[in-house]
Amino acid sequence: GQQLNQSPQSMFIQEGEDVSMNCTSSSIFNTWLWYKQDPGEGPVLLIALYKAGELTSNGRLTAQFGITRKDSFLNISASIPSDVGIYFCAGPTTSGTYKYIFGTGTRLKVLA
Amino acid sequence: DTGVSQDPRHKITKRGQNVTFRCDPISEHNRLYWYRQTLGQGPEFLTYFQNEAQLEKSRLLSDRFSAERPKGSFSTLEIQRTEQGDSAMYLCASSVRRQAITDTQYFGPGTRLTVL
Repeated sequence: GQQLNQSPQSMFIQEGEDVSMNCTSSSIFNTWLWYKQDPGEGPVLLIALYKAGELTSNGRLTAQFGITRKDSFLNISASIPSDVGIYFCAGPTTSGTYKYIFGTGTRLKVLA
Repeated sequence: DTGVSQDPRHKITKRGQNVTFRCDPISEHNRLYWYRQTLGQGPEFLTYFQNEAQLEKSRLLSDRFSAERPKGSFSTLEIQRTEQGDSAMYLCASSVRRQAITDTQYFGPGTRLTVL
């Protein structure tokens, strides 16, 4: 079945550093979404991408929809302590536009 | 706050008891989803409603699980005869179709279930 692999699995960075993470799949996706989840809370939508090659920003966050449609990247610039959390990529499965699968997550810890 | 809401936020129950969770979607959203998330994993799809119709159920949803959305607004998820393996975060999401390709789902805060 479809799977989304995220890397790195976890990362520790210093406050102020830029962060890059990615999400890859063996199959094509028509939409990529990036969510952030804090402990004990639901995922919060950060960025949605709908077209191959699309580059979209949301404040300090920038995400790109890979040209091959099999990957996506999320960058966070000038990280701050509240960026800590788990970042998930997600996309609709081929069996239905409504059914998302989620990646394995990237756990980010920011050291002040 | 006009986001997705879920109630309760936390539920502790004994094995064998029944539990019911409620989800109130964003008011104009006609699509509603339930997901389950275990520790260290991403959310996994359970079921999907369009208005009051339940259009898909995952194989993860055993016969002990039932979901309803009687008037096309709020939804309930009931687990009968709970088992320890049911312990997880149950997430609700809603969406309204805006794009030709897919829609964008917004999640609630989740209900954390612990089965003792």
